[in-house]
Amino acid sequence: DIQMTQSPSSLSASVGDRVTITCRASQTVSNYLNWYQQKPGKAPNLLIFAASSLEGGVPSRFSGSGSGTEFTLTISSLQPEDFATYFCQQSYSIPRTFGQGTKLEI
Amino acid sequence: EVQLVQSGAEVKKPGESLRISCKGSGYTFANYWLSWVRQMPGKGLQCMGRIDPSDSYTDYSPSFQGHVTISADKSISTAYLQWSSLKASDTAIYYCARRRYTSTSDAFDIWGQGTMVTVSS
Repeated sequence: DIQMTQSPSSLSASVGDRVTITCRASQTVSNYLNWYQQKPGKAPNLLIFAASSLEGGVPSRFSGSGSGTEFTLTISSLQPEDFATYFCQQSYSIPRTFGQGTKLEI
Repeated sequence: EVQLVQSGAEVKKPGESLRISCKGSGYTFANYWLSWVRQMPGKGLQCMGRIDPSDSYTDYSPSFQGHVTISADKSISTAYLQWSSLKASDTAIYYCARRRYTSTSDAFDIWGQGTMVTVSS
């Protein structure tokens, strides 16, 4: 299985801050890397697919970059509704695997 | 509206059997693979396995192979996850998720609301 490691595991930030979350894969996943946001008591929601493509309806303050084994999710200007946990996920090989999550506290 | 609607919360005893469901609407159910994803209390996300509803082909993550069965009935746009003998460690939220696949991307674009399964004596 490909192991996905996110850092940091938790992060405190303020409204308006620029935040970056990193995801590293144990082997190459090319650009088959997705990011999801999960709010308490809710299902995950797709934010970014194929490493850098913004899902429809997702605010443009979210962006993704990277390829191979290292990826980042950036929120350019934090909003109060961005309080959530963020997961990366590789879709390069079976089984699909997720990072352990990054909890973002405002 | 494209959506996946899952069956309600379940409370079971160890050793009991269970089947939970996931009904798709607003799209052609047979055209998209469905996966089941486990989230144990306060933990991360684990893919359990997936099914192609067009022909019911399934594959399972090694950690879940033999412990659960995934099936689907495309005539009623519904996928299922079942256990023959539950354990306390099966206590978790279970999500179904639709796979959106293209030549350059592969992601879970639609998720069910989740089914909480509690296994306790």
